[in-house]
Amino acid sequence: DAKTTQPNSMESNEEEPVHLPCNHSTISGTDYIHWYRQLPSQGPEYVIHGLTSNVNNRMASLAIAEDRKSSTLILHRATLRDAAVYYCILDNYGQNFVFGPGTRLSVLP
Amino acid sequence: GAGVSQSPSNKVTEKGKDVELRCDPISGHTALYWYRQSLGQGLEFLIYFQGNSAPDKSGLPSDRFSAERTGGSVSTLTIQRTQQEDSAVYLCASSLMVRDTQYFGPGTRLTVL
Repeated sequence: DAKTTQPNSMESNEEEPVHLPCNHSTISGTDYIHWYRQLPSQGPEYVIHGLTSNVNNRMASLAIAEDRKSSTLILHRATLRDAAVYYCILDNYGQNFVFGPGTRLSVLP
Repeated sequence: GAGVSQSPSNKVTEKGKDVELRCDPISGHTALYWYRQSLGQGLEFLIYFQGNSAPDKSGLPSDRFSAERTGGSVSTLTIQRTQQEDSAVYLCASSLMVRDTQYFGPGTRLTVL
């Protein structure tokens, strides 16, 4: 199974950009890279996903390395509400949709 | 519109009893997923359905766990002869199609005494 590795925790100051890294060196050509986040006491929510090209949406940007072995989730201006656990997941036709331990992001006021 | 709903929200049971957890996906969503999250841990993928079919059941922790989906809609996760290690939050998600954005329900907190 393709796996991802992320730092256990990160800190950011409010209103500053945050770059959350993810390594997925065993990614296959058909794996999509998904990011979800889980706020305290809630189910996960979708953040962004991509295959090869960088992606932007209203929540975040996803930068994918050219060899696809790593990616970075970018929150352009962190807010207190962005404090959550962020999961980087590889999706291959829905099978083995593996959430790792994720990165716990703390946002300091 | 209505999101993913799960019932019950909380379930306390005695060791050795059987439990059924229900998931109502978003209407029209063909894919449905079950996860388990133990206290302070990440999510453990259990099984997914494409329509009423589960292509891969290898994520289920043991043969005490089973899941079914009927009519391309409601899904039930059944745990037989519950054990204390089954205590966790069981999360269900659905997506329009496999590989689309997953929308999660609020979860069922299962406590096995």
